Amino acid sequence: GAVVSQHPSRVICKSGTSVKIECRSLDFQATTMFWYRQFPKKSLMLMATSNEGSKATYEQGVEKDKFLINHASLTLSTLTVTSAHPEDSSFYICSASGGLAGVFGTQYFGPGTRLTVL
Amino acid sequence: EDQVTQSPEALRLQEGESSSLNCSYTVSGLRGLFWYRQDPGKGPEFLFTLYSAGEEKEKERLKATLTKKESFLHITAPKPEDSATYLCAVLRVDQTGANNLFFGTGTRLTVIP
Repeated sequence: GAVVSQHPSRVICKSGTSVKIECRSLDFQATTMFWYRQFPKKSLMLMATSNEGSKATYEQGVEKDKFLINHASLTLSTLTVTSAHPEDSSFYICSASGGLAGVFGTQYFGPGTRLTVL
Repeated sequence: EDQVTQSPEALRLQEGESSSLNCSYTVSGLRGLFWYRQDPGKGPEFLFTLYSAGEEKEKERLKATLTKKESFLHITAPKPEDSATYLCAVLRVDQTGANNLFFGTGTRLTVIP
């Protein structure tokens, strides 16, 4: 149980284009989903938290107009990087929590998406 | 300031050489501490959740313990396949009821055959 998938696993795009990343909880209902960014040999940096059906809460310094998050259902959240630039190149990881009895707060992570902006 | 510190940053062990990884935290209102394993280019894989001081959890060669200020991940007789980065994260619930998860920077473990 507790499987989270991400799609795509890898994407290369030109500067100025928008990229959408999907995060799905496959065997549980995720009341909360999180989006992280990770730089090489660094820990995870939380970008935003989203609850199903409501607007995402962004961490300080994260541009909400650049990183659009939609959590339309209890099993799907999307992150759209709008007008991507080379500095947006990174490893983006989503996680999901909720719906698993007795495991308060545990986040289950997706496999990550490697974004490269040329 | 809420902070999670892991040590050592990197650790090389011979196969079978037991050791411990440390995660110390200064987070008020702790609701849980999590250990994850992360392989290169992949998302973190959940290992353990600890909720209160004195609690211990075990899984195969791994054992996690928790005190009021730190957690240890003990690795007994490690194998090369245990090589990975081990992340510790601390959960705090803020005044609005929102979950805040603070991650350490990880310990990169290499087990040499």
